[in-house]
Amino acid sequence: DIQMTQSPSSLSASVGDRVTITCRASQSISSYLNWYQQKPGKAPKNLIYAASTLQSGVPSRFSGSGSGTDFTLTITSLQPEDFATYYCQQSYSILYTFGQGTKLEIK
Amino acid sequence: QAQLVQSGGEVKKPGASVKVSCRASGYAFTSFLISWVRQAPGQGLEWMGWISSYKGTTNNAQKFQGRVTMTTDTSTSTAYMELRSLRSDDTAVYYCARAGAVAGHMDVWGKGTTVTVSS
Repeated sequence: DIQMTQSPSSLSASVGDRVTITCRASQSISSYLNWYQQKPGKAPKNLIYAASTLQSGVPSRFSGSGSGTDFTLTITSLQPEDFATYYCQQSYSILYTFGQGTKLEIK
Repeated sequence: QAQLVQSGGEVKKPGASVKVSCRASGYAFTSFLISWVRQAPGQGLEWMGWISSYKGTTNNAQKFQGRVTMTTDTSTSTAYMELRSLRSDDTAVYYCARAGAVAGHMDVWGKGTTVTVSS
């Protein structure tokens, strides 16, 4: 199976900050990388697919980049509603896998 | 708009089976995969497997091989996930999600079904 490793596991930031979350795959996954946001008690929400394509309705302060094994999710100008847990997920293999998650907390 | 409605929470004893349903509406059911993801209390997301709503083809994480069965009923646009030989560590929220067959991202999610395994 392809292993997905996110860093950091947790992150403290302030409203207005720019933050970057990294996701690394154990082998090349081309651009088959998706990002999700999850708030407590809620289902995950797809933010970005195919590494850099913004899902419809997602604010433009979210962006994704990368290909091969290294990927980043960047949030510019953090808003109060952005404090949540973020997951990456690969869909290169028919056996999908998620990263372990990055919890973004208010400083 | 596209929507997935899941069945209600379940409480099961160890060794029992559970079958969770996921009814789709607002889109062409057979044009997408249905993926199943679970989340144990306080833990991350764990992908369990997916089923092609059109062909009925399935792929499961090795961890669940032999214990999980995924099916669909195209006449009612409903997907099912059955997990057998339940253990306490199967206690989790189980989500179904719509996934594109090409990009594989899960863009529509059910609200989740809580399955509690307890003696």
